Amino acid sequence: DIQMTQSPSTLSASVGDRVTITCRASQSISSWLAWYQQKPGKAPKLLICKASSLESGVPSRFSGSGSGTEFTLTISSLQPDDFATYYCQQYNTYPYTFGQGTNLEIK
Amino acid sequence: QVQLQESGPGLVKPSETLSLTCTVSGGSISSDYWSWIRQPPGKGLEWIGHIYYSGSANYNPSLKSRVTISIDTSKNQFSLKLNSVTAADTAVYYCARTIAVASMDVWGKGTAVTVSS
Repeated sequence: DIQMTQSPSTLSASVGDRVTITCRASQSISSWLAWYQQKPGKAPKLLICKASSLESGVPSRFSGSGSGTEFTLTISSLQPDDFATYYCQQYNTYPYTFGQGTNLEIK
Repeated sequence: QVQLQESGPGLVKPSETLSLTCTVSGGSISSDYWSWIRQPPGKGLEWIGHIYYSGSANYNPSLKSRVTISIDTSKNQFSLKLNSVTAADTAVYYCARTIAVASMDVWGKGTAVTVSS
């Protein structure tokens, strides 16, 4: 299985901050990576697919980049609604695998 | 707008079979792939598998010997069966649409399943 490792596991930040979450794959996955946002008690929400393609309706402050084994999710200016847990997911190879999650909390 | 809704028992006894159904509304199930994902309490997401409307399915090898995903296009539903469950199968189970064998863009709200006697 391809292992997906996110860092940091927890990130404390303030409204207005620029934050970056990193996701590393144990082998190359080209650009076959998605990012999801999950709030407590809710289903995950797809933010970005194919490493950098923003889903319709997702605010432009979210952006993704990377290819191969290293990827980033950046939020340019944190809003109160952005405090949540974020997961990366690879779909290059079966079984699809997720990172362990990054909990973005209010400082 | 496509919506998904999971249904099934919230409590399953150890060694028995967990059975869940996902009903798709607002669109046809006869396209794309349809997935099951689970999340144990306080933990991360685990992909269980997905099925194409034709019936072709792919499973996570960690569960493959115990899991079956099926589809009923006449009812616009797909289903999950996981047999020989243990406490480790306690989780929130989500169904989701998978676009182009890739990311999951529409999710159900999830259903909590507890394995306990």
